[in-house]
Amino acid sequence: DIQMTQSPLSLSAFVGDRVTITCRASQNIDKYLNWYQRKPGEAPKLLIYAASNLQSGAPSRFSGSGSGTDFTLTISSLHPEDGATYYCQESHSAPWTFGQGTKVEIK
Amino acid sequence: QVQLVQSGAEVKKPGSSVKVSCKASGGIFSSSTITWVRHAPRQGLEWVGSIVPIFGTAKYAQKFQGRVTIIADEATSTVYMEFSSLTSDDTAFYYCANVVGGDWFDPWGQGTLLTVSS
Repeated sequence: DIQMTQSPLSLSAFVGDRVTITCRASQNIDKYLNWYQRKPGEAPKLLIYAASNLQSGAPSRFSGSGSGTDFTLTISSLHPEDGATYYCQESHSAPWTFGQGTKVEIK
Repeated sequence: QVQLVQSGAEVKKPGSSVKVSCKASGGIFSSSTITWVRHAPRQGLEWVGSIVPIFGTAKYAQKFQGRVTIIADEATSTVYMEFSSLTSDDTAFYYCANVVGGDWFDPWGQGTLLTVSS
């Protein structure tokens, strides 16, 4: 199985800050990497698919980059409603695996 | 646009079974792929299995092989996930989701909380 490792596991930032979350795959997954946002009490929502494509309806302050084994999710300017846990997911091969999640707290 | 609505919360005893449903609307159910993911307390997201209703065959994460069965009812556009031999470790939110394109998940159902307790 492919292992996905996110860092950091938690962070705290101010509104307006630029936030970066990384995700590393245990083997080459090309661009088969997706990002989800999960808020307490809600189902996860797709933010970025295929490493760098913004899902329809997701705010343009979210962006994704990377290929191979190293990927990044960036929030260009943190908004209060961005307080959530963010997960990466590889879709290269089953069993599709997720990172441990990064909890983003708004200071 | 596909929408997924799941059945309500369940409380089960250890050793018992549970069946959770996921009803789809707004899309072409038969040609979709529906997947199940769980989120246990203090754990990350974990893929359970998937089914393509038109084919009727499901694939499962090896961890759950033998304990989980996913079936689809095309007549009602509903996918069911049945889990047997439940333990407290199976306490979690269970989500169904539509699999799109290169195997990303969108949208997700609202989630079903399963609590396993004696």
